[in-house]
Amino acid sequence: DAGVIQSPRHEVTEMGQEVTLRCKPISGHDYLFWYRQTMMRGLELLIYFNNNVPIDDSGMPEDRFSAKMPNASFSTLKIQPSEPRDSAVYFCASSLGGPDRGQPQHFGDGTRLSIL
Amino acid sequence: AQSVAQPEDQVNVAEGNPLTVKCTYSVSGNPYLFWYVQYPNRGLQFLLKYITGDNLVKGSYGFEAEFNKSQTSFHLKKPSALVSDSALYFCAVRDPGKAAGNKLTFGGGTRVLVKP
Repeated sequence: DAGVIQSPRHEVTEMGQEVTLRCKPISGHDYLFWYRQTMMRGLELLIYFNNNVPIDDSGMPEDRFSAKMPNASFSTLKIQPSEPRDSAVYFCASSLGGPDRGQPQHFGDGTRLSIL
Repeated sequence: AQSVAQPEDQVNVAEGNPLTVKCTYSVSGNPYLFWYVQYPNRGLQFLLKYITGDNLVKGSYGFEAEFNKSQTSFHLKKPSALVSDSALYFCAVRDPGKAAGNKLTFGGGTRVLVKP
């Protein structure tokens, strides 16, 4: 079975440019999570969706970040304009049912983002 | 607020020896607890979970964890470590209280190095 698919795997761009990260969750999963991982801050939840609806975006750092889930099989995380401090590994995860049902999350292999 | 702590940044163990990775938590109700493992350049992989029931939980790759309510701990264990167990391990908690939201809080991670 295909797992969570993220693209691109690596992205290097200059400060000020728009960055779009993409995620395809596991088919049938109704929860989708976006995380950011850095050495300094560890693993942080940015936003999560249930049935394509954003439920909690309190982890989104600022207005430069936005996320959408137009359908059950696709989500994007956009940064505009990008800044060097946005450099991190961004993970997408999906699950069938949420943490309240004790369901494990399945992670993609991440997008390593470098902002120069 | 829910929180989880992994007091050791790194654990070193010789191959064949027992491995323990520590995790303590703080929640307002009965916790849902998870362990994940991350290999280099990969996403997190689910190992095991505790929701309710037997305090000793068995998971993937020969790992197990013991839930201890009085000590608010959920330590990960493996009787005989392998070199291939070298990775980054994360403990996560979900507080079932409604105010916590339907999300996980991850610890800072513990790097395990198993030497031949």
